[in-house]
Amino acid sequence: EAGVAQSPRYKIIEKRQSVAFWCNPISGHATLYWYQQILGQGPKLLIQFQNNGVVDDSQLPKDRFSAERLKGVDSTLKIQPAKLEDSAVYLCASSLGMLGANVLTFGAGSRLTVL
Amino acid sequence: DQQVKQNSPSLSVQEGRISILNCDYTNSMFDYFLWYKKYPAEGPTFLISISSIKDKNEDGRFTVFLNKSAKHLSLHIVPSQPGDSAVYFCAASVTGSQGNLIFGKGTKLSVKP
Repeated sequence: EAGVAQSPRYKIIEKRQSVAFWCNPISGHATLYWYQQILGQGPKLLIQFQNNGVVDDSQLPKDRFSAERLKGVDSTLKIQPAKLEDSAVYLCASSLGMLGANVLTFGAGSRLTVL
Repeated sequence: DQQVKQNSPSLSVQEGRISILNCDYTNSMFDYFLWYKKYPAEGPTFLISISSIKDKNEDGRFTVFLNKSAKHLSLHIVPSQPGDSAVYFCAASVTGSQGNLIFGKGTKLSVKP
């Protein structure tokens, strides 16, 4: 089965610019997650979707970050305007559901550098 | 406050020997634990998991041990191989909740030939 697809793999922007990341989850996976991984840290959840509804966005900096999953399949994460501290790898993950023994499958990530 | 802690940033072992990676957690609601392995420029890949109803789960060279009273789990790799060199993340979740995983900071394992 195809894995979780993410693009772009790398992006360099200047602070105050905007950037968007795209994710296509594994076919049939209802739950989609966006994680932020800062260098030297573990992944931290930004937002979780169940189909096209938001389950948890409590750690999403909503003044600058937004995400959508309009048709319940692929998703876009946007940052506008970017800050230096947004430099990180943005990981998309998907899973069949939420309950029970939930194993997330991750994409390769999108590495963002903000100058 | 970190709910999942991996206190060793790095570990170096000789090929063929045992690698032991440790993880501690503070939230007693966690009942499902996973280990992920991450190579540079790749996403984390699932390695092995354990439910809180068990104290051991084995898959080939990989074994995870869970000590609920101590809120501690460990991953044993025997024998260690150079291809095991990667960053290992411990993660935990509450199965009755939203299914989100809480990750530790990771331990970088280097297996020397």
